Amino acid sequence: GDSVTQTEGLVTLTKGLPVMLNCTYQTTYSPFLFWYVQHLNEAPKLLLKSSTDNKRTEHQGFYATLHKSSSSFHLQKSSVQLSDSALYFCALSPGGYKVVFGSGTRLLVSP
Amino acid sequence: NSKVIQTPRYLVKGQGQKAKMRCIPEKGHPVVFWYQQNKNNEFKFLINFQNQEVLQQIDMTEKRFSAECPSNSPCSLEIQSSEAGDSALYLCASSLRQADERLFFGHGTKLSVL
Repeated sequence: GDSVTQTEGLVTLTKGLPVMLNCTYQTTYSPFLFWYVQHLNEAPKLLLKSSTDNKRTEHQGFYATLHKSSSSFHLQKSSVQLSDSALYFCALSPGGYKVVFGSGTRLLVSP
Repeated sequence: NSKVIQTPRYLVKGQGQKAKMRCIPEKGHPVVFWYQQNKNNEFKFLINFQNQEVLQQIDMTEKRFSAECPSNSPCSLEIQSSEAGDSALYLCASSLRQADERLFFGHGTKLSVL
């Protein structure tokens, strides 16, 4: 079936450092991939949506590239800020009305 | 600010009681999803609708939940007989069309079953 794997449950970093949150997926379809961010006591909201294969998509300093060859859509940022502390979810839409979420990665940024 | 409105924000029920929560999707969004987010922050898909029609639901939802999205009224999700394991954050999300579009989430209803 369709699935999303996020290998890191918790990532802790000092502000100013780069970060990469891993996301790999399995599907037999040609999917869209998403990153959602959920700050404490807030609703999850869209951070990024995948573009075409091997094309980078960016928003608010975060970026990700869909690589169909490796079934990956890793989230990156070159310099994390304190306000980036949140839960990050990778999600897969294989088509139709189905959306599958990964288990989430908590990012904690310290001063 | 989220334009998907979920009520109530918090719900406390005893085991065996009914638990009902509501969701007003973003205006013009015909597709509505319900997810259960557990204490480990994992999302479990429960059910989705397009307009008033159920598209997909899991077995648990079919057997223990009652859900609807009537026209001109909020969508609702009701657990018929609450269990301790139902304690979670219930998130409603809406979408403009098929799921290649982004989901807009509400803040959720946090259910505690004592």
